[in-house]
Order: sequence, then C-alpha cells, then structure tokens
Amino acid sequence: DAGVTQSPTHLIKTRGQQVTLRCSPKSGHDTVSWYQQALGQGPQFIFQYYEEEERQRGNFPDRFSGHQFPNYSSELNVNALLLGDSALYLCASSLLLSGGTDTQYFGPGTRLTVL
Amino acid sequence: DQQVKQNSPSLSVQEGRISILNCDYTNSMFDYFLWYKKYPAEGPTFLISISSIKDKNEDGRFTVFLNKSAKHLSLHIVPSQPGDSAVYFCAASYSGAGSYQLTFGKGTKLSVIP
Repeated sequence: DAGVTQSPTHLIKTRGQQVTLRCSPKSGHDTVSWYQQALGQGPQFIFQYYEEEERQRGNFPDRFSGHQFPNYSSELNVNALLLGDSALYLCASSLLLSGGTDTQYFGPGTRLTVL
Repeated sequence: DQQVKQNSPSLSVQEGRISILNCDYTNSMFDYFLWYKKYPAEGPTFLISISSIKDKNEDGRFTVFLNKSAKHLSLHIVPSQPGDSAVYFCAASYSGAGSYQLTFGKGTKLSVIP
C-alpha cells in the first residue's frame, strides 16, 4: 500500500521564479492538504483540496495556489518566490468522513531553497 | 498567537525509562488531538490521537492523556527506546464546519540515551 509521495525531493530556485510541487495521496484517500515547515517551526497549514476544489485556506498570500486532479493527486504552485519561501513543503492526505476528515498522513516533503 | 504550544524544545531520557512530552492549547474549540513523530529528512509520521470525549488513549508503548479543563495533553512513552529519538509534534483540530486544518506546536526533540 503506497503512502503519500511527493516530488521533487529537493529544489533550488532564485527569487522571482515560480515553482510547482507535486503530491500523490495515500491509496483510498480523497483529500489533500499542504503545509509549510520553516526551520525550527511546526508545519503551517497552507490549504486543503477536496473534490478538485480548495476547501480551506490558511494565512498565506495569493502567490500560493494549488490544484487537485480527478485522480486526487495535487500540485502546489508558488509564484514570485521570496527568500522567506525557503522551507520544507509537506503534503498530507486523508479521507473525508461524515463528521469531518480522518487523520492526516504526511509525505516525505519537498525541500525548497530560494537563493 | 500560538494556539498549540510545546514549551520544552528538547528532552533527554535514559533508555528503558518513561518519556513524557507535554502540549498546551488555547483554543477551546479544538476537539481532536494528534501526536506525530518526525525524523530528519522525513515527513511527520502519525503516532496516536485522542478525541475530546476521551481522557486517555493507549497504543502499545504510547499513551496520550487529555485534560480538557487545563487545556493540556501529554504523550507517555514507556519504555523509551533509542529508536524513539526524534522530534515530536503535537497537533490539534476541530470538527466544526469549514475547519479542516491541523494546528501544530513547534515540536520537542526527544533524545533517548542508551
């Protein structure tokens, strides 16, 4: 049973560039959430996708956008990169239950470095 | 304003002894709590969770206790093993409509000394 997978593992970009990160959820899961983890901090919620729509968004600017595909996989796009966007980007998948979402399971993350 | 706080950045414990990791929260709407373990260069791994209708949940060597009146939860690991050395994150969520995010603490680095 494949867990959550993310690509690429590492990425180096320069300020002002754009980046796309990819995530495939755990088998059987239909919901994908994205988190940013800066050094020494806990993960911070960016947004969550369900049924190909953004269901909830955290306190991140519009430069951060996403997409979910019919096979439940997801992309995170960041435009106009800033030095402060350097972080580990984590994807988590879960299953929407009637009373809310189930436990979120995380992928290994993509380490983004902005120079 | 941090809604989930882990006030101990690090903890060292002797192998075989009990490890106790603490977490406090301020948002009384939180009703579901989780602990994740994270090794370097890996994503967080789900350990154990507890709903606010319970005050204790056990899974093998791991037990989570919830004190709703104090807005405090703790993770007990007994006995501690060297392989438990990792960063532990406490996370919280609530099942209200429109809220699906996990709110994390900053983590506690546990070192289990052989």
